[in-house]
Amino acid sequence: DAGVIQSPRHEVTEMGQEVTLRCKPISGHNSLFWYRQTMMRGLELLIYFNNNVPIDDSGMPEDRFSAKMPNASFSTLKIQPSEPRDSAVYFCASSIDRLSSKHFGDGTRLSIL
Amino acid sequence: AQSVTQLDSQVPVFEEAPVELRCNYSSSVSVYLFWYVQYPNQGLQLLLKYLSGSTLVKGINGFEAEFNKSQTSFHLRKPSVHISDTAEYFCALAHGGATNKLIFGTGTLLAVQP
Repeated sequence: DAGVIQSPRHEVTEMGQEVTLRCKPISGHNSLFWYRQTMMRGLELLIYFNNNVPIDDSGMPEDRFSAKMPNASFSTLKIQPSEPRDSAVYFCASSIDRLSSKHFGDGTRLSIL
Repeated sequence: AQSVTQLDSQVPVFEEAPVELRCNYSSSVSVYLFWYVQYPNQGLQLLLKYLSGSTLVKGINGFEAEFNKSQTSFHLRKPSVHISDTAEYFCALAHGGATNKLIFGTGTLLAVQP
């Protein structure tokens, strides 16, 4: 079975550029989560969706970050404009519902120069 | 406010030796507790979870953890580790009814040496 698929796996770009991270959840999973992992702050929940609807975006750091889920099989996390402090590994996770165990993708390693 | 503390950033251990990774939590309400494992360049994988019932929880790969409410702990144990257990281990907490929002500890690197 295909797990959560994230693309790209690695992204290196210059500050000020727009960055788009993509996620395909496991088929049939109704909840989708975006996490950010850094050495300083560990794992942080940025936003989660339930049935394609954003439920809690209180973890989104600032207006430069936005996330969408246009359908049940696709989500994006966008940073515009990007800054060096956005460098981190971004994980997408999905679950059958918001109470079930989460399945994580392999992450996108983002480096902003 | 809820929090999770993993005091050991790194635990070195020899192969086939037992290991315990410590996790303490702070919460004023009932909690659900989890252990995740992260192998290099991969996402997190659930090892085990405590939701209710028996305080001794068994997970995958021979790991187990015990929920101790009086000591607010959820330590992870394995009686005999393998080289392949080398990974980062994260303890996480969610307060009752809201497992969508996991609060993670800072992680413990288990380094198994031959």
